[in-house]
Amino acid sequence: DVKVTQSSRYLVKRTGEKVFLECVQDMDHENMFWYRQDPGLGLRLIYFSYDVKMKEKGDIPEGYSVSREKKERFSLILESASTNQTSMYLCASSYQVATNEKLFFGSGTQLSVL
Amino acid sequence: TQLLEQSPQFLSIQEGENLTVYCNSSSVFSSLQWYRQEPGEGPVLLVTVVTGGEVKKLKRLTFQFGDARKDSSLHITAAQPGDTGLYLCAPRQGKLIFGTGTRLQVFP
Repeated sequence: DVKVTQSSRYLVKRTGEKVFLECVQDMDHENMFWYRQDPGLGLRLIYFSYDVKMKEKGDIPEGYSVSREKKERFSLILESASTNQTSMYLCASSYQVATNEKLFFGSGTQLSVL
Repeated sequence: TQLLEQSPQFLSIQEGENLTVYCNSSSVFSSLQWYRQEPGEGPVLLVTVVTGGEVKKLKRLTFQFGDARKDSSLHITAAQPGDTGLYLCAPRQGKLIFGTGTRLQVFP
């Protein structure tokens, strides 16, 4: 089975800190995604990547950046954390860009910014 | 950012009851996926529907894609506590986007 691993389950940071959220997948998937999940808003796409060193903005990229130096690893960076970035962050991967591609998700990182 | 409306937002029922949840949009989609997210976990794919009017069954779950491919429904027969979770629709038209979700609680 595909495994998508997010490095932290819970994270507490202070306003202004630089935050790194790490995601690793073990199935050689081309595509990786970062979503945030907030009550009543569903999952919103922050950034995605179709290949190493490639990145594309999603719907809400402001305040975030990403890094994909290796195929299996996709990092989400909060340059200067703010309280409105308190959220559940979900990483996902998929094999190829296709209409019916199946996304495999990690278990999520609950980030609290104080 | 496009938001896909799912209804109801919350549903709390007793074991054995039937229920239907809906996913609606004004846009036409090439296909649509349904995911279930259990507490403390990421979403897991349940089904993909592709053709307008298509019906797919997964044990006690019945998924239907609207004729015009703008909406979808999920019907659960004889709900069980194991069905508890957040149900998310994810229509496809280019990148993957998600609906707002229906949170289902089934009590024994």
